[in-house]
Amino acid sequence: DAGVTQSPTHLIKTRGQQVTLRCSPKSGHDTVSWYQQALGQGPQFIFQYYEEEERQRGNFPDRFSGHQFPNYSSELNVNALLLGDSALYLCASSSGQGNEKLFFGSGTQLSVL
Amino acid sequence: AQKVTQAQTEISVVEKEDVTLDCVYETRDTTYYLFWYKQPPSGELVFLIRRNSFDEQNEISGRYSWNFQKSTSSFNFTITASQVVDSAVYFCALSEWNGGYNKLIFGAGTRLAVHP
Repeated sequence: DAGVTQSPTHLIKTRGQQVTLRCSPKSGHDTVSWYQQALGQGPQFIFQYYEEEERQRGNFPDRFSGHQFPNYSSELNVNALLLGDSALYLCASSSGQGNEKLFFGSGTQLSVL
Repeated sequence: AQKVTQAQTEISVVEKEDVTLDCVYETRDTTYYLFWYKQPPSGELVFLIRRNSFDEQNEISGRYSWNFQKSTSSFNFTITASQVVDSAVYFCALSEWNGGYNKLIFGAGTRLAVHP
């Protein structure tokens, strides 16, 4: 049973570029959340997708957008990259509503030069 | 506002020592959940425990134990007889009941180094 998978593992971009990160949830899970983890800090909630809709969002600018597909996989898009967007981006999946435990992927390490 | 504070940035112990990781939280809600996650060098966050605000029973799982005290808004984590494999960053997190949306608010983490 595959867990949460994320791609790519590492990514290097330059300021102003756009990036797309991908996530496949754990089998049986229908909810995907994205978190940003800056170096030496705890993860920060970006947004959550359920039934192909964004249902909750953290304090992130509109440059951060996402999408969920019918197979529950998800993408995180970041436009007009800034140096400060350099971080580990973690995807987490869970089943439906409620405060069930989240299963996390190993993340995508994004470096913006 | 919700907040999680992990005051210990780094802890270094020798194998077989007991170690306690502190977690203090702030919330106005009466219904909430508390979590501990472990982050090894691979980067993946590994779930350790979830407690709801109505269950103040302490829990033990093998060498791990958790002490939840609502009176002091603390949810501390103890590792007994630590091992090198316990070396990781540990995060405490809070989730409020807001219609079923499980958004986690994480502390800054405590880096634990267990030396042989």
